[in-house]
Amino acid sequence: DIQMTQSPSSLSASVGDRVTITCRASQGISNYLAWFQQKPGKAPKSLIYSVSSLQSGVPSRFSGSGSGTDFTLTISSLQADDVAAYYCHQYYNTPQTFGGGTKVEIK
Amino acid sequence: QVHLVQSGSELKKPGASVKVSCKASGYTFNEYAINWVRQAPGQGLEWMGWINTNTGTPTYAQAFTGRLVFSLDKSVNTAYLQISSLKAEDTAVYFCARGKYELPFWGQGAQVTVSS
Repeated sequence: DIQMTQSPSSLSASVGDRVTITCRASQGISNYLAWFQQKPGKAPKSLIYSVSSLQSGVPSRFSGSGSGTDFTLTISSLQADDVAAYYCHQYYNTPQTFGGGTKVEIK
Repeated sequence: QVHLVQSGSELKKPGASVKVSCKASGYTFNEYAINWVRQAPGQGLEWMGWINTNTGTPTYAQAFTGRLVFSLDKSVNTAYLQISSLKAEDTAVYFCARGKYELPFWGQGAQVTVSS
């Protein structure tokens, strides 16, 4: 199985800060990498697919980058509404696997 | 627009079975697979497998093989997850999600609680 290692597991930042979350795959996954946002008690919401493609309706402050085994989710200017857990997800092969999650809070 | 609506909360005793439904609307049901994802309390997301809604063929993650059954009722555009011989460790929220690869659309989740 492909292991997805996310870091940090949690972070606290101020409104307006640039926030970066990283995800490392245990083997190459080409561009089969997505990012989800999950707020408490809610279903995950797809933010980004294919490493850097923004889902329709997702604010442009979210962006994704990376290749091979190392990937990044960036929030260019953190907003109060971005408080949530974020998960990376590989769909290169089965079983599909998720990172352990990153909890983002406002300082 | 695409909607996946799941059945409600369930409280089951150890050893019982549960069947969770996922009703799809807003698209042609048999054009996209349905995946199942588990989230235990306070934990992350765990992919359980998927079902081909065209052929009805299920694929189960190895960690879940043996007690899971994915099924369909195409007449009502609904996918089902059945878990047998429930254990306390099966207490979780179970999500369905549309897609064979990327998962852009998710149901709201169904809480299953296993307790004596």
